[in-house]
Amino acid sequence: KAGVTQTPRYLIKTRGQQVTLSCSPISGHRSVSWYQQTPGQGLQFLFEYFSETQRNKGNFPGRFSGRQFSNSRSEMNVSTLELGDSALYLCASSRQTGGNDQYFGPGTRLLVL
Amino acid sequence: DQQVKQNSPSLSVQEGRISILNCDYTNSMFDYFLWYKKYPAEGPTFLISISSIKDKNEDGRFTVFLNKSAKHLSLHIVPSQPGDSAVYFCAASARNSGYALNFGKGTSLLVTP
Repeated sequence: KAGVTQTPRYLIKTRGQQVTLSCSPISGHRSVSWYQQTPGQGLQFLFEYFSETQRNKGNFPGRFSGRQFSNSRSEMNVSTLELGDSALYLCASSRQTGGNDQYFGPGTRLLVL
Repeated sequence: DQQVKQNSPSLSVQEGRISILNCDYTNSMFDYFLWYKKYPAEGPTFLISISSIKDKNEDGRFTVFLNKSAKHLSLHIVPSQPGDSAVYFCAASARNSGYALNFGKGTSLLVTP
């Protein structure tokens, strides 16, 4: 079956702009989690959505938000971009909330200039 | 603060020998541990996991050992193959935080012929 897909794969924005990233989970998976990967901090958990509800949230400012649609697709939004937001954003899907069987997408590489 | 630490950024091993990747954690509430493998331009791929009620889990050439008293786990790959060359991430999760994955910063393994 098809894996987790993320769009776009690459993105360049300037400081102060906002960005929306999209994630389509594996068919039948209802949980979507988002992670940020940077060279300095590694992979850090942003938030998890299950059945259109945010179930868990990491330690990120309110500029980072997300949502999930009824078809389990999820979007992540970052407002007022900062240089430090440059990172690889990964999403992972699993069947259930808190599921350990998390399957990752290839990520969206965001560069903020 | 980094709750999961992989203190070796890189490791080089000859083909056929054993690769040992180490991981330490600080949060005693972690009750599930996972190893992911990541190739460039791809998302992490789940490799093997272990519950805190066990001290060893084996899957083919991959074995994970957990030492709860030392808050330490290791991944053994025997025998190592050139195709194992990748970045390996250790991750830990806790039931009381919704099983959000806490990742180490990764160890880059190079298996030379």
